[in-house]
Amino acid sequence: GQQVMQIPQYQHVQEGEDFTTYCNSSTTLSNIQWYKQRPGGHPVFLIQLVKSGEVKKQKRLTFQFGEAKKNSSLHITATQTTDVGTYFCAALSSNDYKLSFGAGTTVTVRA
Amino acid sequence: DGGITQSPKYLFRKEGQNVTLSCEQNLNHDAMYWYRQDPGQGLRLIYYSQIVNDFQKGDIAEGYSVSREKKESFPLTVTSAQKNPTAFYLCASDRQGALALPGANVLTFGAGSRLTVL
Repeated sequence: GQQVMQIPQYQHVQEGEDFTTYCNSSTTLSNIQWYKQRPGGHPVFLIQLVKSGEVKKQKRLTFQFGEAKKNSSLHITATQTTDVGTYFCAALSSNDYKLSFGAGTTVTVRA
Repeated sequence: DGGITQSPKYLFRKEGQNVTLSCEQNLNHDAMYWYRQDPGQGLRLIYYSQIVNDFQKGDIAEGYSVSREKKESFPLTVTSAQKNPTAFYLCASDRQGALALPGANVLTFGAGSRLTVL
């Protein structure tokens, strides 16, 4: 499957601050999905981006798909304790519709 | 409520024993998947099935086996050949379709089964 690299692996954030996690691929992606896994839980779908340069927002979360469709980012503003968890990006193969997951960014928040 | 049910939630087994993890979905999804999650390694695909009575190996299929006799069920057997079976196992399903189809190819996950081999 397609390989996607996520950075950083860990993100320690002061409550109220912003942060960004990145997902990169060496090949062009047909689409990118983002999932969130709370501690002790299972991944839950957040959003899917399909178009080049696409930007989508969910409250304090902003998702972006690069113009070349080789990278994506998730930006969270005014971090809250509810944002704690691991955020995964996943790329869909256009050949067999299998998802390849990045290693995830684990976010902890200091109150 | 529609969803995916995995059982058991926690499982302890002795080395050398086969273990079967259950996964049932009532979402009427065609495709089902098994992922393995280890700390710092994200989700790795073990097996997947896009239709009843058919399944394909994922990236780390060695030491695992599956069956898909019913649309709703996709059990995973962790065999004694799996060298490092202790992990968190996640089952998922999705509705296959064209990329532009709303909700297509979006995974719904079960709560997971945590297997510990002693």
